[in-house]
Amino acid sequence: LAKTTQPISMDSYEGQEVNITCSHNNIATNDYITWYQQFPSQGPRFIIQGYKTKVTNEVASLFIPADRKSSTLSLPRVSLSDTAVYYCLVGDSGGSNYKLTFGKGTLLTVNP
Amino acid sequence: DAGVTQSPTHLIKTRGQHVTLRCSPISGHKSVSWYQQVLGQGPQFIFQYYEKEERGRGNFPDRFSARQFPNYSSELNVNALLLGDSALYLCASSFYMNTEAFFGQGTRLTVV
Repeated sequence: LAKTTQPISMDSYEGQEVNITCSHNNIATNDYITWYQQFPSQGPRFIIQGYKTKVTNEVASLFIPADRKSSTLSLPRVSLSDTAVYYCLVGDSGGSNYKLTFGKGTLLTVNP
Repeated sequence: DAGVTQSPTHLIKTRGQHVTLRCSPISGHKSVSWYQQVLGQGPQFIFQYYEKEERGRGNFPDRFSARQFPNYSSELNVNALLLGDSALYLCASSFYMNTEAFFGQGTRLTVV
């Protein structure tokens, strides 16, 4: 069963770059790594997804080393509205039972 | 375009009762997954369905069941409700099992 580990919380200031790392030791060969953002009382919102190396979109970058046992979400120049919980998600396709595992999440607080 | 819709948004049930939660995926998405999120914790995977077949099941008791219909909508059923079943139940749809998932706003279930 895939298990993910993230820091419980992080603090930052407006305009800074924030890097959140997730470890996932049992990631399956065919699984992707996905990051979500969640505000209180809302469903999670997709940020970025990757398989290996580096992926970049308009809001974030995702760095994945060759062994794929970890990943780092990079948020450039954060603002107050980026204060949220960030989840790392991997699939675990061990056997015939496909499971999706969220980490415990990282509460990012962006200060003025 | 309509996103993932869940109904009802809020629900209050008594211990021992049964509940049915409904989810309509984004048009064209063939995979639906269900999560339970207790306050202060990350979403916990319950089920994933793809093309109307169960493809994954999390560590939940047999009181929890689900199904996916020919139009790809889905229902989550919980029997013999316990106080501990009180949570936000999230539905997510995606084109395939491990691709970008879009979450609904959730159903807030309170068991009294």
